[in-house]
Amino acid sequence: AAGVIQSPRHLIKEKRETATLKCYPIPRHDTVYWYQQGPGQDPQFLISFYEKMQSDKGSIPDRFSAQQFSDYHSELNMSSLELGDSALYFCASSPTGGQYNEQFFGPGTRLTVL
Amino acid sequence: GDSVTQMEGPVTLSEEAFLTINCTYTATGYPSLFWYVQYPGEGLQLLLKATKADDKGSNKGFEATYRKETTSFHLEKGSVQVSDSAVYFCAHTRGTSYGKLTFGQGTILTVHP
Repeated sequence: AAGVIQSPRHLIKEKRETATLKCYPIPRHDTVYWYQQGPGQDPQFLISFYEKMQSDKGSIPDRFSAQQFSDYHSELNMSSLELGDSALYFCASSPTGGQYNEQFFGPGTRLTVL
Repeated sequence: GDSVTQMEGPVTLSEEAFLTINCTYTATGYPSLFWYVQYPGEGLQLLLKATKADDKGSNKGFEATYRKETTSFHLEKGSVQVSDSAVYFCAHTRGTSYGKLTFGQGTILTVHP
C-alpha cells in the first residue's frame, strides 16, 4: 500500500539558511499535517491543511510557512534557520471523514542546523 | 487545555513479562484515542485506536480500553518480546475531520532476552 512520502530524508543546513521540506500524502488523502519532534521529545503539531486551505495552526514559528498544492502535496518552508530548529519533521495525512481522524505518518525528514 | 500524560519511563522488562503503560488525558468534547509506536530511527506507526467510551483497541497482542470515567487509555500486553522495544506515544484528537493529534511525552520500552 502506498504510504506518505517525505523528501528529503536528511537535510543539513547552516544557521540563517532556508530549507524546504516536501510531503506527498497517500492518494485520495486531502488533509495534511506537519509535526516537529525535537530530540527525546514528543511530536508537536505545527500546521495542517484541508483541501489546500490551512485548517489549524499550532506552535509554528513566524519564520516557517507552509502550503498545500493542487495535487495535495505540501511543502514546509523554513527561513532564518536556528540551531533549535534541528529536529525530525513529520508529515501525516488523512482522508476526509477518515475513520475517526486516523493519521498516517511519513518517515520524517531529519533536519540538522549547524 | 487538551493534554496527554504518560507514565514516566523508561520501562525495562524481561521477555514474556507483562506490560502496562499508563496514559491519561484531558480534552473537551469526545476525543479519539491512539497509541503510536516509534522504532529506533523510524517514523510513527499507529498501533491501535479507540473512538468512543468502552471501546477496546487491539493489535499485535497490545490492548487498550477507552475509559471515559477515568479519562484513561492504558496500554497492555500480556507477554512482551525483544522486538517490542521502542518508544510508545499515547495521543488524542477531537475526532473532527482535520483535528490535530496531541501526544504524550512518550515511554521508552526496552525488553531484554
